[in-house]
Amino acid sequence: EVQLVESGGGLVQPGGSLRLSCAASGFTFSRYVINWVRQAPGKGLEWVSGISNSVGSTYYADSVKGRFTISRDNSKNTLYLQMTSLRAEDTAVYYCAKAYSGYENNWFDSWGQGTLVTVSS
Amino acid sequence: QSVLTQPPSVSGAPGQRVTISCTGSTSNIGAGYDVHWYQQLPGTAPKLLIYGNSNRPSGVPDRFSGSTSGTSASLAITGLQAEDEADYYCQSYDSSLSGSKVVFGGGTKVTVL
Repeated sequence: EVQLVESGGGLVQPGGSLRLSCAASGFTFSRYVINWVRQAPGKGLEWVSGISNSVGSTYYADSVKGRFTISRDNSKNTLYLQMTSLRAEDTAVYYCAKAYSGYENNWFDSWGQGTLVTVSS
Repeated sequence: QSVLTQPPSVSGAPGQRVTISCTGSTSNIGAGYDVHWYQQLPGTAPKLLIYGNSNRPSGVPDRFSGSTSGTSASLAITGLQAEDEADYYCQSYDSSLSGSKVVFGGGTKVTVL
């Protein structure tokens, strides 16, 4: 059974940093594109970032480009999202989501339960 | 403002048929990129409902169906049930001169009357 478990969320001040993790199990982690998708309170889903399998190509939404860095450690079956220069509008539940295969024209067949990031003073 | 446009809400009585539209453009749905649908029950993570425009993952009831036409897509729920009350999101891929990215619709809340 595929499992994705996010951690690392919490309260951070504007301008601060936070690193999210997503521990994966139940599938061959290194073979798949994994993404971060967020959902602000009471709002819809927003794709944030994605990273390809072994090659490690990265993709970012314009709203986070230059501030967030996605990475993965295939030896630990773990995905990361390093978030810096955080803003109030980054407040959201962050989900990691496994893509069925590649990055382009693909869908998310498994999702974690999410971790809440709150940016506030 | 979402790249894909969905109605904020739809409603129907138990047993009825409801449809949710997802309107895109020539840089996403109209360019031939597939549309996928997710169901999000209150307080839970999204769940894949339809992939590749019209395919259901194992375990999804055949009451749910998807279709595309031109720059739009639709999700239909027939024989509406109380457990279908949830938020529904369409997703596709967008590629233009400004770049390429995964895109979601703004979501549609389905209410069972």
